[in-house]
Amino acid sequence: NAGVTQTPKFQVLKTGQSMTLQCAQDMNHNSMYWYRQDPGMGLRLIYYSASEGTTDKGEVPNGYNVSRLNKREFSLRLESAAPSQTSVYFCASSAYNEQFFGPGTRLTVL
Amino acid sequence: QKEVEQNSGPLSVPEGAIASLNCTYSDRGSQSFFWYRQYSGKSPELIMSIYSNGDKEDGRFTAQLNKASQYVSLLIRDSQPSDSATYLCALDNNNDMRFGAGTRLTVKP
Repeated sequence: NAGVTQTPKFQVLKTGQSMTLQCAQDMNHNSMYWYRQDPGMGLRLIYYSASEGTTDKGEVPNGYNVSRLNKREFSLRLESAAPSQTSVYFCASSAYNEQFFGPGTRLTVL
Repeated sequence: QKEVEQNSGPLSVPEGAIASLNCTYSDRGSQSFFWYRQYSGKSPELIMSIYSNGDKEDGRFTAQLNKASQYVSLLIRDSQPSDSATYLCALDNNNDMRFGAGTRLTVKP
């Protein structure tokens, strides 16, 4: 099993560009999450999906959209990237509240 | 006040000592508590979960939860250099996960 996979691993965008971060899990988990991690800030929840077809805002949802495409896949979209969105993005999935994280995407917005 | 507070460290302990990591939280409705370990440049990995007051032991790790005082702690016995990492405290309230900023632990040989 691959666990949680994320693509791409690294990305550089210019201000105003859009992109989608992809996440997939093969553990048959119902819940999936998107976080960002900034130095000194810990992990902050952007959006989560408790089950296929549902999504909810987390702590810092502004500037992002998500799609729970099916049970396996949960994507995060930046419609118009801003320098403040420079961060490391982690996707996670969970069963019984215990989360398993993907390897992360390091995003830089110039 | 942040929802989950941790001392950022760094916390430095000699090899073989007990490392004590602490976390306080503000949301009394939180039901589930977790400790994650994160090595530099890597993703977090779950070490312990605890749901009820008291102690929970798993190998060299012991998690302690006191809901009345709103704190959760992690003890690492017989600390090893490989335990050097950032430890993240997290709590869950109906899928809305909140993490502390983490405590950096260094175990010196």
